[in-house]
Amino acid sequence: NAGVTQTPKFQVLKTGQSMTLQCAQDMNHNSMYWYRQDPGMGLRLIYYSASEGTTDKGEVPNGYNVSRLNKREFSLRLESAAPSQTSVYFCASSEAPGGARYEQYFGPGTRLTVT
Amino acid sequence: TQLLEQSPQFLSIQEGENLTVYCNSSSVFSSLQWYRQEPGEGPVLLVTVVTGGEVKKLKRLTFQFGDARKDSSLHITAAQPGDTGLYLCGGSNYKLTFGKGTLLTVNP
Repeated sequence: NAGVTQTPKFQVLKTGQSMTLQCAQDMNHNSMYWYRQDPGMGLRLIYYSASEGTTDKGEVPNGYNVSRLNKREFSLRLESAAPSQTSVYFCASSEAPGGARYEQYFGPGTRLTVT
Repeated sequence: TQLLEQSPQFLSIQEGENLTVYCNSSSVFSSLQWYRQEPGEGPVLLVTVVTGGEVKKLKRLTFQFGDARKDSSLHITAAQPGDTGLYLCGGSNYKLTFGKGTLLTVNP
C-alpha cells in the first residue's frame, strides 16, 4: 500500500516549456487535490476533484490545468511554465470531499524550478 | 474566505522543554486536523478533532479543539529533536483550509 505517489520528484524547466505532474493513490479515495507550497504562503489549493469525472478550481488555478484520468490518477499540467510557478507541488487524496472527517493524505511532493 | 491563523510562526526550544502552538479562526469548522511536515516530505496527518472541547493524546502530543470549534491547540511535553518540523492545522467544512504553519526546531 503505497498511499499517494507523485512523479517526478524534481524538475527544472525553462520559461515557456510545458510539463505534466502525475499523481496516483491506491486508497480507493474519491477526492483528489493539487496544492502548491511556497515559503511564507502555506499550502494553497490549485485544483481539486471531488469525485471521478469532476474537477474544480481552487485558490490559485491560473496557469494550470488538471485531468482526473480515473479514480486513482489526477494529473496537473503546466502549459507554459513561468518563473512564478517555481514551487513545491503536493498531491493529496481524501475519502470524501468534505464533512466532519475530511482527512487528507499527501504525496511526497514535486520540486519544480522554472528558470 | 475562512482563515486559520497559526502562532507562533517560528519556535526554537531545547530538548526537554514543553511547548504549545495555536490555531485560531473566526469561522466554525466541522473538524480540524493537525499535520506534521518534515523537510523534503509531504504533510503527514497526526490527528483529527471533531467535537467541541475534545482532547486527544498521541504519546507526548496533546490536541484540543475549542468549545466553539473555532480554534485548537497542540501541546508537546518534553520535546525531542525528532519533533522538529512544520506543524500545520487544517480546518474542514466543505473544503480544507490550512494555516501557514508553525516551524518547530528542537535543539539537542
